[in-house]
Amino acid sequence: GAVVSQHPSRVICKSGTSVKIECRSLDFQATTMFWYRQFPKKSLMLMATSNEGSKATYEQGVEKDKFLINHASLTLSTLTVTSAHPEDSSFYICSASGGVGEQYFGPGTRLTVT
Amino acid sequence: KQEVTQIPAALSVPEGENLVLNCSFTDSAIYNLQWFRQDPGKGLTSLLLIQSSQREQTSGRLNASLDKSSGRSTLYIAASQPGDSATYLCAVKSNQAGTALIFGKGTTLSVSS
Repeated sequence: GAVVSQHPSRVICKSGTSVKIECRSLDFQATTMFWYRQFPKKSLMLMATSNEGSKATYEQGVEKDKFLINHASLTLSTLTVTSAHPEDSSFYICSASGGVGEQYFGPGTRLTVT
Repeated sequence: KQEVTQIPAALSVPEGENLVLNCSFTDSAIYNLQWFRQDPGKGLTSLLLIQSSQREQTSGRLNASLDKSSGRSTLYIAASQPGDSATYLCAVKSNQAGTALIFGKGTTLSVSS
């Protein structure tokens, strides 16, 4: 199956700093990428949908100025958590889709804000 | 708005048992349904994908069924093993192109030896 990578896999940052997470589709072109957030022992919550070359569509309750998403190419989307706070600590997972079929998930990024 | 519910939330069984995990969704207009496995602190592993036109899919000891009209899917695990211990997530994709998967909260399975 298709491979999606995320970098970094784990990051610890201080409160007030910004963190960038990369999501790459390694062997296919992803017209659409999705960003999810998962709290401990909770399910995945969709944060936003990004299409290459256009602005991301954010789910209700997700601050677009805090969670900046850029989908600059068909193989790369980035999520930047700006002015991070401890409550932003979470597991962030991206997924990529080449069309209307199966979505392929990255391995996730564990963010800890101290 | 699509909602996905999984029952039970947690399940503990002895090794060797056959078991069924349940998933229900409120909007039957789905494109496909996927079952995933997630180990603690890890990402998702896709187990089975059922297209809306299909009734079931099988992979090894796993069998997933889909009843779109009633908004239900089941994941059957035969002869469970301790290595099957994980959280199992059900997710559905709506009929619209480019839409994300909507996830249930998962069933955490523990298989004891």
